[in-house]
Amino acid sequence: QVQLKESGPGLVQPSETLSLTCTVSGFSLTSYSVSWVRQPSGKGPEWMGRMWYDGDTAYNSALKSRLSISRDTSKNQVFLKMNSLQTDDTGTYYCTRERNWEGGYFDYWGQGVMVTVSS
Amino acid sequence: DIQMTQSPASLSASLEEIVTITCQASQDIGNYLSWYQQKLGKSPQLLIHSATSLADGVPSRFSGSRSGTQYSLKINRLQVEDTGIYYCLQHYSAPYTFGAGTKLELK
Repeated sequence: QVQLKESGPGLVQPSETLSLTCTVSGFSLTSYSVSWVRQPSGKGPEWMGRMWYDGDTAYNSALKSRLSISRDTSKNQVFLKMNSLQTDDTGTYYCTRERNWEGGYFDYWGQGVMVTVSS
Repeated sequence: DIQMTQSPASLSASLEEIVTITCQASQDIGNYLSWYQQKLGKSPQLLIHSATSLADGVPSRFSGSRSGTQYSLKINRLQVEDTGIYYCLQHYSAPYTFGAGTKLELK
């Protein structure tokens, strides 16, 4: 069945770089796009960016200067790197499968990984 | 960016009551609107996609509708398990944007 699972460090120092991995199963990264969505505690979600099924990327302009998304199709993994982290980057980070052929909604979500930015 | 104005911010309703949550888009987004339910400590779950289509496995008491740039999620006969936070999402153009959420509680 379709599964996505995020992994990465739970604690990051301010000004450091966050590196997260989304490992997927039950579908191919060359057939579906994967988006990253984050959610500060007690707040609504924010779309961060996308790895398209064809290998292209798209980013939220608010984060574009700090964000990079890549993938390794042989390992069924999508990666997120975001630099210059600040305390307001604290929250839960999710990867989601996107139904790009049907308008782009998110039909499956990972369980999320909590990231705290603190010294 | 497209703004999604969601209302109400919170809602308290009784069992079996009918509940409606709305999202107003700041511009035309067609049917590129989906609804998600999030329970405490869990990831959001898809309820409705393409404004009116029920996602697989979602109870039929949930429904979505559209009138111009206003979108509504309706829950018929509210059940205990329907409590949580509901979000709309526009996926018409990047950056995709979510509504601020509606916290639904039982009265």
